[in-house]
Amino acid sequence: AQSVTQPDIHITVSEGASLELRCNYSYGATPYLFWYVQSPGQGLQLLLKYFSGDTLVQGIKGFEAEFKRSQSSFNLRKPSVHWSDAAEYFCAVGLPGYSTLTFGKGTMLLVSP
Amino acid sequence: EAQVTQNPRYLITVTGKKLTVTCSQNMNHEYMSWYRQDPGLGLRQIYYSMNVEVTDKGDVPEGYKVSRKEKRNFPLILESPSPNQTSLYFCASTPGRGRDTQYFGPGTRLTVL
Repeated sequence: AQSVTQPDIHITVSEGASLELRCNYSYGATPYLFWYVQSPGQGLQLLLKYFSGDTLVQGIKGFEAEFKRSQSSFNLRKPSVHWSDAAEYFCAVGLPGYSTLTFGKGTMLLVSP
Repeated sequence: EAQVTQNPRYLITVTGKKLTVTCSQNMNHEYMSWYRQDPGLGLRQIYYSMNVEVTDKGDVPEGYKVSRKEKRNFPLILESPSPNQTSLYFCASTPGRGRDTQYFGPGTRLTVL
């Protein structure tokens, strides 16, 4: 079965600093890869997704992610964090032909002034 | 507006008292799912449905039931709730398999005393 690992439970970043959230997956082939964000008290919003092609994908709110097949990783990045980015971030994988997503345990992002 | 709605948003109940959480989507999506979110565990899939009258178990189905009598609705039923079902529940829908975005409802916070 596929699995998703987000090694960092919490990350604190200063406002204006760069951000990288890590995500590693375990699956025999390349799955579909997603990043979702959950603001406090809110549902989940899709930031970006990767299926194939260009390994650097752009998403909403200035986020991007890079797929690295050799490392089975799909890390999320943002060059300059804003206080409004404080939220919980989830990496997820989907398999071709299936509607199910497998989620990582999430990384809570705290933004300090 | 395209959306997934859930009701109720908040519910406090007692052990053994049957309850139903409703989920409805207005996007004519075939696939719908229920997830539960617990601290440190991320989101785990409870049940999913590929179409009307077609449902299947996810990763944590014990203690839950679902039905899909209409395409737009996918209620989650707890026939005898227990305290370990205290959680935040999300309904999601997607038009297809794998690569399509999952749209999440706002969540239902359930407390079982």
